Amino acid sequence: TQLLEQSPQFLSIQEGENLTVYCNSSSVFSSLQWYRQEPGEGPVLLVTVVTGGEVKKLKRLTFQFGDARKDSSLHITAAQPGDTGLYLCAGAPPGYGQNFVFGPGTRLSVLP
Amino acid sequence: DAGVIQSPRHEVTEMGQEVTLRCKPISGHNSLFWYRQTMMRGLELLIYFNNNVPIDDSGMPEDRFSAKMPNASFSTLKIQPSEPRDSAVYFCASSFQGSRAKNIQYFGAGTRLSVL
Repeated sequence: TQLLEQSPQFLSIQEGENLTVYCNSSSVFSSLQWYRQEPGEGPVLLVTVVTGGEVKKLKRLTFQFGDARKDSSLHITAAQPGDTGLYLCAGAPPGYGQNFVFGPGTRLSVLP
Repeated sequence: DAGVIQSPRHEVTEMGQEVTLRCKPISGHNSLFWYRQTMMRGLELLIYFNNNVPIDDSGMPEDRFSAKMPNASFSTLKIQPSEPRDSAVYFCASSFQGSRAKNIQYFGAGTRLSVL
């Protein structure tokens, strides 16, 4: 069974600070996705990383896929209250399977 | 497009009752997923369909759970009989799975189930 761990579990910071959250596994994934979920809503996809070592930027968010495709990080620069939410990573198994495995999430709170 | 539509948004029922959750995927999508989210276990994949055919139901907890997809625009997740430990938020998601698709899953707003 492929498992994903995320750290930290909870994070509360002030507006303007930088932060990094991590997603780790002992398994290799063909791709990895990051989602943000707000209260009362479903997760919304932020990015998909596919190649080991790949870095993608989405405005103030920077996503990196580990060289071995077992881990990933999400860095947010100058966090804003609108970044508040549950950040989930999800790994796709090797091959064409769609049975994604989700991590438990990092709950981020950005205080004004 | 209205996105993935789930109903009801909230369901409160008593232990032993049958519960049916409904999902309308995004038009044109050929894959549909049912997830369950709890504080303890996070987001778990229960079952997914491709072209209306169940592909992987290994996440379905037990025989009390069943899912159907009679056509490309509708799916149900049924729990019979329901138990308090089934209380959770159930999400439906859909995607287009093709040779060059990016495999983006779009989630509905979820059904919050409470079994008393």
